[in-house]
Amino acid sequence: DADVTQTPRNRITKTGKRIMLECSQTKGHDRMYWYRQDPGLGLRLIYYSFDVKDINKGEISDGYSVSRQAQAKFSLSLESAIPNQTALYFCATSDPQVHLSDTQYFGPGTRLTVL
Amino acid sequence: ELKVEQNPLFLSMQEGKNYTIYCNYSTTSDRLYWYRQDPGKSLESLFVLLSNGAVKQEGRLMASLDTKARLSTLHITAAVHDLSATYFCAVDRDTDKLIFGTGTRLQVFP
Repeated sequence: DADVTQTPRNRITKTGKRIMLECSQTKGHDRMYWYRQDPGLGLRLIYYSFDVKDINKGEISDGYSVSRQAQAKFSLSLESAIPNQTALYFCATSDPQVHLSDTQYFGPGTRLTVL
Repeated sequence: ELKVEQNPLFLSMQEGKNYTIYCNYSTTSDRLYWYRQDPGKSLESLFVLLSNGAVKQEGRLMASLDTKARLSTLHITAAVHDLSATYFCAVDRDTDKLIFGTGTRLQVFP
């Protein structure tokens, strides 16, 4: 079984709709991250959380919100989707205390298309 | 602001040849990561370089880090088709967030 899972894997929605992407992990890591990937731009950090009570904005948080429901769950919401939010979204986890570095472990990704 | 640049962005190489991918970053950091992404897939950790002069090798890939030059290299030896993928470097800022390069898409042909 995958250590980091994301649902849904693919989603097509319309402009203005509210969308939630979910991430779950069984690695027991405290740190969780949401990234988006666009062709030619690499990965950009949207939000991150170092524990259940900690939420931080990344470099491109506008138009997004997150919820850390438990150590194992971190959800990303698009309150009112717009076409330029069409991208591949990745969740990741890390635990420097376990791995002695901040190596991040990525989920399989969610491909989101906003029409 | 920390910036991470990779070059080349696209690399087409023949099987059996050697080549190097470069990763430059703009501010001091002692930790650098290399990831691989196959088309349509997620990112997989390849190497973690944690100090100046660090060198890691796995199969036909070797990564090194020069923190004084703010440069990491990923060297490919005797390329094979299975190495075709996109390779990302990422640099660790003090606040333990990774900043990713734009990626190098490697295509190995016979």
